[in-house]
Amino acid sequence: DIVLTQSPDSLAVSLGERATINCKSSQNVLYSSNNKNYLAWYQQKPGQPPKVLIYWASTRESGVPDRFSGSGSGTDFTLTISTLQAEDVAVYYCQQYFGTPLTFGGGTKVEIE
Amino acid sequence: QVQLQESGPGLVKPSETLSLTCSVSGDSVSSSGLYWTWIRQPPGKGLEWLGHIFKSGGSTYNPSLKSRVTISLDTPKNQFSLKLSSVTAADTAMYYCARAPQVYCDITSCYIFDSWGQGTLVIVSS
Repeated sequence: DIVLTQSPDSLAVSLGERATINCKSSQNVLYSSNNKNYLAWYQQKPGQPPKVLIYWASTRESGVPDRFSGSGSGTDFTLTISTLQAEDVAVYYCQQYFGTPLTFGGGTKVEIE
Repeated sequence: QVQLQESGPGLVKPSETLSLTCSVSGDSVSSSGLYWTWIRQPPGKGLEWLGHIFKSGGSTYNPSLKSRVTISLDTPKNQFSLKLSSVTAADTAMYYCARAPQVYCDITSCYIFDSWGQGTLVIVSS
């Protein structure tokens, strides 16, 4: 199985500041034939199901604010919230779809400092 | 806009079979290019993919469940279902159904969950 390790487990950021979440994969999730990284990011607010923010490691889902961005390739990925808003308080998960079983990272809780 | 809604017993006894249904509106479970998926989340923990099914009835499951899981389609009712046998307390979780459309993909399949149900909490206890 591909293991995704997120860091940190939690972080507190001031409103308007940058939040950075890391996701490290135990295996390469870059498919050489199409040069795509099979990695997505989700946001889960309390009492709600997850919502996809980013896929192919850096493609923003329709309707997602542009303060959310994804980067990285191969085994190391980052989700960045450029200017944290109050509504961004949530747990964020990375997910790989390079192979089955599909797996998720352990989650990173983002709070307001 | 697609909507998914989970339903089923909220309490299951140990060793019994957990059975849940996901009702789909705004889309068809028999449409091409859609994977219908079950994912669970134990209280306060992360997400675990259980498996998915395609319109042909072909399915893929998480090996960690050791053949306890079955996902099936009911196309006349536009639903898909989850059965998890021989449950223990470790199966206590919020169970979500979700959709993974292949429109996101190019030369290979891909599994990006763009629509989710609200989830249903299942507690395994005697």
